[in-house]
Amino acid sequence: DTGVSQNPRHKITKRGQNVTFRCDPISEHNRLYWYRQTLGQGPEFLTYFQNEAQLEKSRLLSDRFSAERPKGSFSTLEIQRTEQGDSAMYLCASSLEGLAGDANTGELFFGEGSRLTVL
Amino acid sequence: AQSVTQLDSQVPVFEEAPVELRCNYSSSVSVYLFWYVQYPNQGLQLLLKYLSGSTLVKGINGFEAEFNKSQTSFHLRKPSVHISDTAEYFCAVNKRGAQKLVFGQGTRLTINP
Repeated sequence: DTGVSQNPRHKITKRGQNVTFRCDPISEHNRLYWYRQTLGQGPEFLTYFQNEAQLEKSRLLSDRFSAERPKGSFSTLEIQRTEQGDSAMYLCASSLEGLAGDANTGELFFGEGSRLTVL
Repeated sequence: AQSVTQLDSQVPVFEEAPVELRCNYSSSVSVYLFWYVQYPNQGLQLLLKYLSGSTLVKGINGFEAEFNKSQTSFHLRKPSVHISDTAEYFCAVNKRGAQKLVFGQGTRLTINP
């Protein structure tokens, strides 16, 4: 396993269509994160999973967005009824962390991202 | 909540010159600090991190950063840059015990020959 893998790398869609992105984390990692990065900005947190449980969602994640990690391995991020404002790079990251406490350093391993363009 | 401010959006320097990329954070509790680098068309890679101990941390590619608790800063430095250092650099903070990294806006480092 060489790292976090994201597919597709690029997606162009028309406004109103649904899109789905897939992330395959580093195999032994129990945490999986989704971030969004727009041009000229740093990554913004969207949501994260501990194994198959989705433990936190940002307010940025509107009800058109849904993320799943059904078996605690790969994850999907679906955007329904896309809008032009959804155009961004969607980044997936993974880490190996405990449940809580200072042992969780927050070091993440990122994929190369999935770039979404909504026309 | 913690936040990160990268004071320069772009930094142009000449090859072999020294460089400093500035980062200030805001947090009322102890934090872990990171610098990530993003080369064109690539994902973010960890450059270095401060977890505890010595305030001067060394990373890959000759970069180092110094944690200054009193000034809440974590500036990144390199004594002599190379063309291959051209990239976007992101400072990030994680509150101890928290579950996610918070990133700054990024600094684009451009190296001129």
